Amino acid sequence: DARVTQTPRHKVTEMGQEVTMRCQPILGHNTVFWYRQTMMQGLELLAYFRNRAPLDDSGMPKDRFSAEMPDATLATLKIQPSEPRDSAVYFCASGLTQGQGSGANVLTFGAGSRLTVL
Amino acid sequence: GNSVTQMEGPVTLSEEAFLTINCTYTATGYPSLFWYVQYPGEGLQLLLKATKADDKGSNKGFEATYRKETTSFHLEKGSVQVSDSAVYFCALSLISSGSARQLTFGSGTQLTVLP
Repeated sequence: DARVTQTPRHKVTEMGQEVTMRCQPILGHNTVFWYRQTMMQGLELLAYFRNRAPLDDSGMPKDRFSAEMPDATLATLKIQPSEPRDSAVYFCASGLTQGQGSGANVLTFGAGSRLTVL
Repeated sequence: GNSVTQMEGPVTLSEEAFLTINCTYTATGYPSLFWYVQYPGEGLQLLLKATKADDKGSNKGFEATYRKETTSFHLEKGSVQVSDSAVYFCALSLISSGSARQLTFGSGTQLTVLP
């Protein structure tokens, strides 16, 4: 089965440190999403890309978070500096979107990166 | 705006019991509707979907019918198993001009099935 691969699976770091999470989307998928999951807020959309171009990152704190897709096989989410309130599970998901009027948007999620900021 | 409201959890059932998890939505157009399932320690997986009114999505014994008149997409299963224990998320997706079709999720409902 094709999978979305996320690394690291777990990360414990201290406040103020830089954190980089990586995602390998499914080959051929042209949309990539970053979600954050916490008990209090549930699933929040942070950013998404289509054909490697960022389309919306309004859900992301701009002062410390950045998301990029240096190539079609890699998406990164970086937090600098990290804060305890960033502790969460971060999910990457990819999908295939073809035009405006076709099909339903089915996403495949990675297993997540669990971040703990002390 | 668009939103999804799910039945609050946690839900605890005995094996072979009937399951209903309620989901209602608010949308400014005609969304596609989804149920995703998250098993412990894993990412979300698509369980079933429906793309237009009166469609019924089904998979692994789960069913949900897209009800436009009540803006609902309730998840049902006639006989749950211990292996169904997971968190279930209702979601909608709308086509927006000039943008990818991102999902809006409900808050999730934790289901525990006891043997």
